[in-house]
Amino acid sequence: QQQVKQSPQSLIVQKGGISIINCAYENTAFDYFPWYQQFPGKGPALLIAIRPDVSEKKEGRFTISFNKSAKQFSLHIMDSQPGDSATYFCATAPRLTFGEGTQLTVNP
Amino acid sequence: DAMVIQNPRYQVTQFGKPVTLSCSQTLNHNVMYWYQQKSSQAPKLLFHYYDKDFNNEADTPDNFQSRRPNTSFCFLDIRSPGLGDAAMYLCATSRGPVGGYEKLFFGSGTQLSVL
Repeated sequence: QQQVKQSPQSLIVQKGGISIINCAYENTAFDYFPWYQQFPGKGPALLIAIRPDVSEKKEGRFTISFNKSAKQFSLHIMDSQPGDSATYFCATAPRLTFGEGTQLTVNP
Repeated sequence: DAMVIQNPRYQVTQFGKPVTLSCSQTLNHNVMYWYQQKSSQAPKLLFHYYDKDFNNEADTPDNFQSRRPNTSFCFLDIRSPGLGDAAMYLCATSRGPVGGYEKLFFGSGTQLSVL
C-alpha cells in the first residue's frame, strides 16, 4: 500500500531551468511533509519541509508548494544547477514514509 | 565533522555467513534507526531504538537483528544473508521522539554484497 506517490521517476533539466517534482497522498492525518535529498553513495539529508497550515515555503532556490484540498505537494528547484543532480524523496509524517524517489539530472 | 559514521563502507559476505554492520553517532541522539535501501528504491525502515527500547517493524525478517550497547553505537546483525539482502544499509539518528517530525541524520551507508 503506497501511502505517498511521487512523480516523475526521473527528470532531466538543463542548467538554469526549473525542476518540479510532485507527490500525492491519501491520508488526511499526514501533517508534515519533508523532502530529502540523496547524492550517490550518501545517505539522504533533509532539504526542506512544510506543515499544512501554509501553502508555500521557500528556502533559497528550493520551494515547496502545498495544496491541501488536492492532497498534493511539490518541490520546485529554481535555477537548477548540475550540483543539484541527486535523488529526491518526498515524505510524510507522523510516521515517516518515503515516496519512491525522483532521480534528477541537471545538464550543464 | 562526521556525525553518523557507518563502517565499513563496503561489505562483502558469503551466502549464509553472518555479518555485522556498525554505526556510531556523535550527536547524542536518543533514537537510532536502521534502513535498508535497494537500488533505485526508497529507504525501508527495518527497526529503531528509542534509548534502549527496541522497536521492530512488522515486516522485518527475523534474519535481521540489532544491538545498541550504548547511546553512541548501534549494530545490525544479519544472521544468514541471502542474495536478496544485498543492499545499502543506512543508519540514521534523531533527537526524538520517533516519527517523521524529527530531522533524521543519516550516515553514508554500508553497501552490502552477498556472493
